[in-house]
Amino acid sequence: AQSVTQLGSHVSVSEGALVLLRCNYSSSVPPYLFWYVQYPNQGLQLLLKYTSAATLVKGINGFEAEFKKSETSFHLTKPSAHMSDAAEYFCAVSGESNFGNEKLTFGTGTRLTIIP
Amino acid sequence: ETGVTQTPRHLVMGMTNKKSLKCEQHLGHNAMYWYKQSAKKPLELMFVYSLEERVENNSVPSRFSPECPNSSHLFLHLHTLQPEDSALYLCASSQGPLSTDTQYFGPGTRLTVL
Repeated sequence: AQSVTQLGSHVSVSEGALVLLRCNYSSSVPPYLFWYVQYPNQGLQLLLKYTSAATLVKGINGFEAEFKKSETSFHLTKPSAHMSDAAEYFCAVSGESNFGNEKLTFGTGTRLTIIP
Repeated sequence: ETGVTQTPRHLVMGMTNKKSLKCEQHLGHNAMYWYKQSAKKPLELMFVYSLEERVENNSVPSRFSPECPNSSHLFLHLHTLQPEDSALYLCASSQGPLSTDTQYFGPGTRLTVL
């Protein structure tokens, strides 16, 4: 079965500083990996996804993530944090459900706070 | 309306009530999902419909009953709920049920069971 671990339920960075949100996964097959963002009182929105093409994936709002198979990681980064980046971020991995369908397994989320 | 909409946005109900959550997608997608989001827990997939056929029922108690009358609408009928069912219920849709198909989420219904 597949699983996702997000290290750090809360991360605070200063405005303009580097954002690094960590995600490690386990999967018995080559995975597809996703980062979603959830702003207050909203649903989840896809930031970016890795589907076995380039290992460095660029997403919306200046975010990118790098797939590292040897480290089973898919960390999310942004060079310079903006106040509007304050939100909760979820990493997800594809896998197979008990019914044999494809499904996403989500991490517990990381709440990002931006310090002015 | 665009994207995925959910009504109501907030719902408070007693344990003996019967209520329904509604989801509508305006994206022409063929797959729809119900997720449960509880504090400090990962999103839990509840149900998946593909072309109006239920293809996934993730060990959800029978007090939750989904209905998908057409590819644009998804309901979650609730009855005899427990306080631990209080959570944010998210609806999502995608072009197909494959995990590579991007899922688009609605804003959710915040459910409180008294």
